[in-house]
Amino acid sequence: KAGVTQTPRYLIKTRGQQVTLSCSPISGHRSVSWYQQTPGQGLQFLFEYFSETQRNKGNFPGRFSGRQFSNSRSEMNVSTLELGDSALYLCASSPMGLAGTNEQYFGPGTRLTVT
Amino acid sequence: QKEVEQDPGPLSVPEGAIVSLNCTYSNSAFQYFMWYRQYSRKGPELLMYTYSSGNKEDGRFTAQVDKSSKYISLFIRDSQPSDSATYLCAMPSSSASKIIFGSGTRLSIRP
Repeated sequence: KAGVTQTPRYLIKTRGQQVTLSCSPISGHRSVSWYQQTPGQGLQFLFEYFSETQRNKGNFPGRFSGRQFSNSRSEMNVSTLELGDSALYLCASSPMGLAGTNEQYFGPGTRLTVT
Repeated sequence: QKEVEQDPGPLSVPEGAIVSLNCTYSNSAFQYFMWYRQYSRKGPELLMYTYSSGNKEDGRFTAQVDKSSKYISLFIRDSQPSDSATYLCAMPSSSASKIIFGSGTRLSIRP
């Protein structure tokens, strides 16, 4: 089975711009979660989507948003980029998601640099 | 106080040593515990998960949970240079419906 894929792998943007990241989960997995990873804050939960609905949300500003399509693929959008948004953005998929006790499988991440 | 505490290391041990990685947590509602391994410039990879107190073995890896002390451990036997990575503990928060990760321990195995 193919793993979780994320595109693009690397991205450089300028402050004030917006960015869209994409994630394709493992086939058959219906839940997609997004995380931000930085050296200072570690892995922080952004949000989770299940069957095209946002089911859980972390403590991030409204500039961070996402959506999930009927084929379970998900996108994450960050508007009005700030320098502090530079991070590794990770997507994880699981069969049922955080409502159950299913383990999550991570993609390789998108490294975003904001200049 | 963070809900999950993990010593960031770095931890450096010689090849063949037994490694002990630990996390403490404050929320007694946590019921399910996971360990991830993350190599540099890669996403975290699930190593082990366990529901209950006690030990769970998988090859050279043993996960141990002590719910009374709110303490979890990952032991690596016969450590190899390929085990050099950052190890993260993680647990789903039933109240907040999200997974909380420790900050990760950076481990280096010296040949």
